[in-house]
Amino acid sequence: GENVEQHPSTLSVQEGDSAVIKCTYSDSASNYFPWYKQELGKRPQLIIDIRSNVGEKKDQRIAVTLNKTAKHFSLHITETQPEDSAVYFCAASIKNFNKFYFGSGTKLNVKP
Amino acid sequence: DAGITQSPRHKVTETGTPVTLRCHQTENHRYMYWYRQDPGHGLRLIHYSYGVKDTDKGEVSDGYSVSRSKTEDFLLTLESATSSQTSVYFCAISESVQAQKPQHFGDGTRLSIL
Repeated sequence: GENVEQHPSTLSVQEGDSAVIKCTYSDSASNYFPWYKQELGKRPQLIIDIRSNVGEKKDQRIAVTLNKTAKHFSLHITETQPEDSAVYFCAASIKNFNKFYFGSGTKLNVKP
Repeated sequence: DAGITQSPRHKVTETGTPVTLRCHQTENHRYMYWYRQDPGHGLRLIHYSYGVKDTDKGEVSDGYSVSRSKTEDFLLTLESATSSQTSVYFCAISESVQAQKPQHFGDGTRLSIL
């Protein structure tokens, strides 16, 4: 099956700086890559996603890039704010399969 | 927000007792999933369903069973709960994985087994 690795496990940045979280996947058939944000005690919430026919997608301060050749995708958060502090999960799914494969999560701490 | 309701939200029970968690959706989505979340382990798939009466195992299915008799309900049962099953359980739904639709999660059930 698919294996998704996520780095770093923890990330601390100063407010206003950028944060980058990276994920790699093993199965070249993976074709959909969502990102989730989970605040303490809350459910994971979808923040952005990208499909394999797209190299980059942006939504305000959040962007995701995909490199299919290298089999990795990244989440970029610019102008970080304290409310960005949370755990972020990447995931991948494979066409014709019914499951999502999650990374182990990155705890982002934005210091005021 | 996706219409997903998990019940109960919190439960404390004793080792050896049966426990059933319920996930109810109002979105008429085909796919439903049960995950457990433990510190240091992220989200681990227990079981999932791709239609009424169609289920399959995930990576941590031992000790758990599921049933889906209606599109809107997906039940997770711990036949004889053990302390290692203390966790936060999340239900998720998806309209279609093949069509590259995301999962949406319920608010979770915090289960403590003493």
